[in-house]
Amino acid sequence: DIQMTQSPSSLSASVGDRVTITCRASQSIASFLNWYQQKPGKAPKLLIYAASSLESGVPSRFSGSGSGTDFTLTISSLQPEDFAAYSCQQTYSTPPTFGQGTKLEIK
Amino acid sequence: VDLVESGGGLVKPGGSLRLSCAASGFTFSSYKMNWVRQAPGKGLEWVASITSRGNYIYYADSVKGRFTISRDNAKNSLYLQMNSLRAEDTAVYYCAREDFVVEPDTIRYFDYWGQGTLVTVSS
Repeated sequence: DIQMTQSPSSLSASVGDRVTITCRASQSIASFLNWYQQKPGKAPKLLIYAASSLESGVPSRFSGSGSGTDFTLTISSLQPEDFAAYSCQQTYSTPPTFGQGTKLEIK
Repeated sequence: VDLVESGGGLVKPGGSLRLSCAASGFTFSSYKMNWVRQAPGKGLEWVASITSRGNYIYYADSVKGRFTISRDNAKNSLYLQMNSLRAEDTAVYYCAREDFVVEPDTIRYFDYWGQGTLVTVSS
């Protein structure tokens, strides 16, 4: 199975900050990488698919980049509603696997 | 698009439970579907998937031989039969629709998720 490792596991930031979360795959996965946001007690929400494509309705302050083994999710200017957990997922091979998650908290 | 899971609850180790996911707002029979779980305080774990017509089924090694995924396209419903349940199966179980893009490759993603149903395995 492909292992997905996110860093950091948690992050404190302020409204207006630029934030970057990293996801590393244990082998090359080309652009087969998706990002999800999850708020407490809620279902995950797709933000970015295919490494850099913004899902419809997702604010443009979210962006994704990378290919191969290293990927990043960037929030250009944090808004109060962005404080949540973020997970990456690879769908290069079965089983699809997720990173352990990054919890973004208010500083 | 709406996905609504049901069937969760408290069950003893070794017991069984059947989860359902009712789909609406899209052509259910055209989409591959998945079950994904999340243990308390843990990350997301894919459990099983079934193609649109049910002809291809895949399982995580952790549930293979114990869980069975199925679907009824006439009823717009997805199911997960869970047998021989263990404490480590305790989690919120989500159903998720799978879609894909074909450029630059056929890249799959889970675009809609239900609200989840909690399964607790405990004596």
